[in-house]
Amino acid sequence: DAGVTQSPTHLIKTRGQQVTLRCSPKSGHDTVSWYQQALGQGPQFIFQYYEEEERQRGNFPDRFSGHQFPNYSSELNVNALLLGDSALYLCASSLAGLYEQYFGPGTRLTVT
Amino acid sequence: AQKVTQAQTEISVVEKEDVTLDCVYETRDTTYYLFWYKQPPSGELVFLIRRNSFDEQNEISGRYSWNFQKSTSSFNFTITASQVVDSAVYFCALASGGSYIPTFGRGTSLIVHP
Repeated sequence: DAGVTQSPTHLIKTRGQQVTLRCSPKSGHDTVSWYQQALGQGPQFIFQYYEEEERQRGNFPDRFSGHQFPNYSSELNVNALLLGDSALYLCASSLAGLYEQYFGPGTRLTVT
Repeated sequence: AQKVTQAQTEISVVEKEDVTLDCVYETRDTTYYLFWYKQPPSGELVFLIRRNSFDEQNEISGRYSWNFQKSTSSFNFTITASQVVDSAVYFCALASGGSYIPTFGRGTSLIVHP
């Protein structure tokens, strides 16, 4: 039973560029959440997708957008990258209505 | 608003010592859920436990135990006879107000020396 997978593992981008991160949920899960974890901090909620729609959103600007596909996989897009966007981006999957979230290994984004 | 405070930034112990990680939470809701996650160097958050606000019974799982006290708004985590493999960052989290999205504390880095 495959867990949550994320790609790529690491990414280096230049300020102003755009980036797309990908996540495949745990088998059987239908809900995907994205978190940003800055160095030395706890994960901060970006948004959650269910039934291909954004259901909840944290306090992040519109530069952060996402998508969920019919197979429940998801993408996180960040436009006009800033140095402050450098972080570990975590994807978590769950079943709608349940609290248990299963996290992927994350994508380490570095913006130079 | 909800908040989780993990006052201990880093704890260093020698193997076989017992260690307690503190977690204090704030919420105005009467129904809420508390969590602990472990984040090893690989980066993946590993779910350890979930507790709801109506169940103050302490829980033990092997060398791990959790002490939930509503009177002090605390949900502390104790590792008995720590091992090097316990070295990781541990996060306490809170979900309340009908939201399934947890708010995380800043984490406590536990270093267990051989």
